[in-house]
Amino acid sequence: SQELEQSPQSLIVQEGKNLTINCTSSKTLYGLYWYKQKYGEGLIFLMMLQKGGEEKSHEKITAKLDEKKQQSSLHITASQPSHAGIYLCGAPGVTSGTYKYIFGTGTRLKVLA
Amino acid sequence: NAGVTQTPKFQVLKTGQSMTLQCAQDMNHEYMSWYRQDPGMGLRLIHYSVGAGITDQGEVPNGYNVSRSTTEDFPLRLLSAAPSQTSVYFCASSLLAGGPVNEQFFGPGTRLTVL
Repeated sequence: SQELEQSPQSLIVQEGKNLTINCTSSKTLYGLYWYKQKYGEGLIFLMMLQKGGEEKSHEKITAKLDEKKQQSSLHITASQPSHAGIYLCGAPGVTSGTYKYIFGTGTRLKVLA
Repeated sequence: NAGVTQTPKFQVLKTGQSMTLQCAQDMNHEYMSWYRQDPGMGLRLIHYSVGAGITDQGEVPNGYNVSRSTTEDFPLRLLSAAPSQTSVYFCASSLLAGGPVNEQFFGPGTRLTVL
């Protein structure tokens, strides 16, 4: 079965520092989403990547999907306390049917002011 | 638009009780789904639906039933609650046009505790 592995599991950074979160798939990805979840709340869509080599940015967050479509990275530049939360990558399942979505276990980010 | 709404926000059940978690969306989305989120496990798909009258099982369907009589509503029923079903439950919806890579919109979640 297909799995998404995120690293690191948790991250504590000083405000203003850059950071990167990775999401690795055991199989080629059909597409890849990044979501942010504030503690105790629902998921907020950040961006979606579909093509190998694709890169998207929104404010200080940049996500990229590698050429082989098996790994994605989320990069935050000059982190702020508002970036704190849980970052989740998700994807449509490839082997079990494309509408059976899978998610990584999440990366907990804490930004120290 | 209200987006995806879920009720209740919190619920405590005793083992063996049954209940229904409600989910509704007002975006005319064909696809709706239920997930559970447990510490260290990420989101796991319980059931999903690609339209009224069509449902299918996800990764962890045991102990849960769903039905989709309208495009707007997708209730999740717990038949006989067990402590292992203590979790946070999220409902999500998305368009189907263009394939499965459309953005999923998530509800605020229901925090369920089974004693």
